[in-house]
Amino acid sequence: GEDVEQSLFLSVREGDSSVINCTYTDSSSTYLYWYKQEPGAGLQLLTYIFSNMDMKQDQRLTVLLNKKDKHLSLRIADTQTGDSAIYFCAESKTGTASKLTFGTGTRLQVTL
Amino acid sequence: GAVVSQHPSRVICKSGTSVKIECRSLDFQATTMFWYRQFPKQSLMLMATSNEGSKATYEQGVEKDKFLINHASLTLSTLTVTSAHPEDSSFYICSAVGGLSSYEQYFGPGTRLTVT
Repeated sequence: GEDVEQSLFLSVREGDSSVINCTYTDSSSTYLYWYKQEPGAGLQLLTYIFSNMDMKQDQRLTVLLNKKDKHLSLRIADTQTGDSAIYFCAESKTGTASKLTFGTGTRLQVTL
Repeated sequence: GAVVSQHPSRVICKSGTSVKIECRSLDFQATTMFWYRQFPKQSLMLMATSNEGSKATYEQGVEKDKFLINHASLTLSTLTVTSAHPEDSSFYICSAVGGLSSYEQYFGPGTRLTVT
């Protein structure tokens, strides 16, 4: 079956960079996503990457994909207190581009 | 970006009653909508996939007679929890796909259901 794993918790100081990691098992994953969830709210799509890409940068966010190791990371530069939230990675497959399998979620805590 | 709304945001109901949750895509037509369930401090669990004008496809282990899904138009899907019990208490989130791309999934703000 499909498995998407993340570490549960990350604490960083304001202004530092955060790196949230994700591993997945299904090599047929085509699209990989990062979502942000604030307490009591839905999910906000942050960014996504196609499996034929290695890196994508969007303002403070950098996504790195190592397809060989099935490893995805999200780097947040200059982390702010407003970045405190749960971050989910998710993957979808060729032919079912919209059905998502979510990771376990990483709680990011930003301290002053 | 695309906006998805859910109504109500919170609902408390008595055991044995039914509750309807609405999911709307506000500024695009959603060819497909998804319903997820999230337990506290856990990830999202896909319950069903809903395509406009056709029957929903339920994930394994999800009771289709208990969780009725209707996708009557390209902007509205509803989830009805029938004969609710306390174990149905959860955070229900919908998402919608459509608009300019089929690989970007936009989520609603969620509905907190508490069954007493």
